[in-house]
Amino acid sequence: QVQLQESGPGLVKPSQTLSLTCAVSGGSISSDDSHWSWIRQPPGKALEWLGYIDYRGNTFYKSSLKSRLTISRDTSKNQISLELSSVTAADTAVYYCARGELTWDYWGQGTLVTVSS
Amino acid sequence: DIVMTQSPDSLAVSVGERATINCKSSQSILYSSNNKNYLAWYQQKPGQPPKLLIDWASTRKSGVPDRFSGSGSGTDFTLTISSLQAEDVAVYYCQQYYSSRSFGPGTNVDIK
Repeated sequence: QVQLQESGPGLVKPSQTLSLTCAVSGGSISSDDSHWSWIRQPPGKALEWLGYIDYRGNTFYKSSLKSRLTISRDTSKNQISLELSSVTAADTAVYYCARGELTWDYWGQGTLVTVSS
Repeated sequence: DIVMTQSPDSLAVSVGERATINCKSSQSILYSSNNKNYLAWYQQKPGQPPKLLIDWASTRKSGVPDRFSGSGSGTDFTLTISSLQAEDVAVYYCQQYYSSRSFGPGTNVDIK
């Protein structure tokens, strides 16, 4: 059973960089044809897919976030990471990591990140 | 970008009755080369991550009760809960994966 757990600061100041990690257990992030995504949900609002990294380390981002978003991985720790630069209050959300490229079958519980001074 | 809309925003249905949620895409999400609709449905309960119920518009995922069904093609899709149970109270989202990925705004389902 694949399990994902997000972690990172719950509060980030405007203009700074939001950094999160997702620890994956029960499966390797390098296993063939696996993809690992980040999805966020502002409080009380709908879901927004951000991007993914695949089993070879290739990345694909939502076009509107491409200039601010970096998704990376650490295969030795079986973790994926997200960095979102120049954050504003609009980036306040619960951030989820999830397994999948087109749709997502395993999700972490999510971590709330608030952007505020 | 493909924009997804859902209707209604919310609905309340008696236990045992049918619940119907509609989802519309701003352009066709039917891929002609494989005749597949690139649409999924998710259920999200309070404080939980979403759960994938259906993909390819009508393929129920393993373990999902058969009272959940998906239909539609092209730009218009429907999620039907044939006999609503108390545990089905949740927000339901449609999602397209034809071009990038985007979600609908969600439909809140409650018990009448």
